[in-house]
Amino acid sequence: AQKVTQAQTEISVVEKEDVTLDCVYETRDTTYYLFWYKQPPSGELVFLIRRNSFDEQNEISGRYSWNFQKSTSSFNFTITASQVVDSAVYFCALSGGVYNFNKFYFGSGTKLNVKP
Amino acid sequence: DVKVTQSSRYLVKRTGEKVFLECVQDMDHENMFWYRQDPGLGLRLIYFSYDVKMKEKGDIPEGYSVSREKKERFSLILESASTNQTSMYLCASSLWEDGLNTEAFFGQGTRLTVV
Repeated sequence: AQKVTQAQTEISVVEKEDVTLDCVYETRDTTYYLFWYKQPPSGELVFLIRRNSFDEQNEISGRYSWNFQKSTSSFNFTITASQVVDSAVYFCALSGGVYNFNKFYFGSGTKLNVKP
Repeated sequence: DVKVTQSSRYLVKRTGEKVFLECVQDMDHENMFWYRQDPGLGLRLIYFSYDVKMKEKGDIPEGYSVSREKKERFSLILESASTNQTSMYLCASSLWEDGLNTEAFFGQGTRLTVV
């Protein structure tokens, strides 16, 4: 079965704290993509990153970093020195091949509240 | 930049009405999707289309139908709107590349209220 689990429903931090959002996935595909999206209060989902299943290198983009570990089927997202503008709902998603034809599977989302 | 445009940001409709939600993308993407988003339930796939006139049911197709007559346009139809279809509706498109979906690009969403 294809499944994405975001166990953290809601997280609250104080500005400048680091925060990690967890994502665990299940898939039978050997080739797949993983994604993270941000949904600010305005509602539109904004694409943050795509990671190929063959590329387990961690990625850093400014204050954002992603840790992909195939051995534990996890794709975690860390925000360093959080800011109020990071407050949003974050979704992890999976897209694959043969067993996942043309579909995206989204987690239920983690709401991040960053307080000043 | 990829642009996915949904025809309405907010809609209020009466129970029993036939409702059309329109979505247009400008990047020649093969795949288009309709999701609904409800608190605590995340994004749930209603229907998707991988080519003109081709459609596949998602996880919650009951009470909905879709139409894709042109590659750039994907319409969601509520045949007879009911109050339990009050929700945020999100349209997305993606490219099919090397046997995988690339990232999905989303429209701004349509918040539908059925009264």
